Amino acid sequence: QKEVEQNSGPLSVPEGAIASLNCTYSDRGSQSFFWYRQYSGKSPELIMSIYSNGDKEDGRFTAQLNKASQYVSLLIRDSQPSDSATYLCAVSSRGGRSSYKLIFGSGTRLLVRP
Amino acid sequence: EPEVTQTPSHQVTQMGQEVILRCVPISNHLYFYWYRQILGQKVEFLVSFYNNEISEKSEIFDDQFSVERPDGSNFTLKIRSTKLEDSAMYFCASSTGTYSNQPQHFGDGTRLSIL
Repeated sequence: QKEVEQNSGPLSVPEGAIASLNCTYSDRGSQSFFWYRQYSGKSPELIMSIYSNGDKEDGRFTAQLNKASQYVSLLIRDSQPSDSATYLCAVSSRGGRSSYKLIFGSGTRLLVRP
Repeated sequence: EPEVTQTPSHQVTQMGQEVILRCVPISNHLYFYWYRQILGQKVEFLVSFYNNEISEKSEIFDDQFSVERPDGSNFTLKIRSTKLEDSAMYFCASSTGTYSNQPQHFGDGTRLSIL
């Protein structure tokens, strides 16, 4: 059973701080990793993707991947109250007929205190 | 920016009734998916669909579920005889291609409430 694990939180940080969100996955063959943000009652919104070991930066967001440790993380710099949401780690898993499904973690709830 | 659209946003149905949830994927996308999220739980894969056929289905996607692309734009999920445990948010997603790095874009979801 392929699994994606996240700490459910809540992770509470003050406004302006760096929030660090972590995720581990069980399938060593996984190639692609995604971070989605989900506000309460809303749908997942893609914020970052990463495929290679190392760091990938996009604005205030940095995704980090370590395939040897089967570990993905998301850093949010200069955290804002509007960043308060649940962050979902998703791993792409090969299915039938060349399709890929996403396996999601349970999400980490982030609270940014003004 | 192109979006995945889902209708209705909220569906209330009596147990045992049939429901059809509708989705319009992004126009140049070829792969379509349904996921569901029971309140307070993980987003779970239900089914993927490509070239008018199911590519993969999960254990959740039993004989009560079916999917269809009735025309060039719509993608539907039908639940034949709803149960209380079918109450959840149902998300449609689409992606462009066949590679694992193709991101999936989600619609706003349909909240299904079974009474």
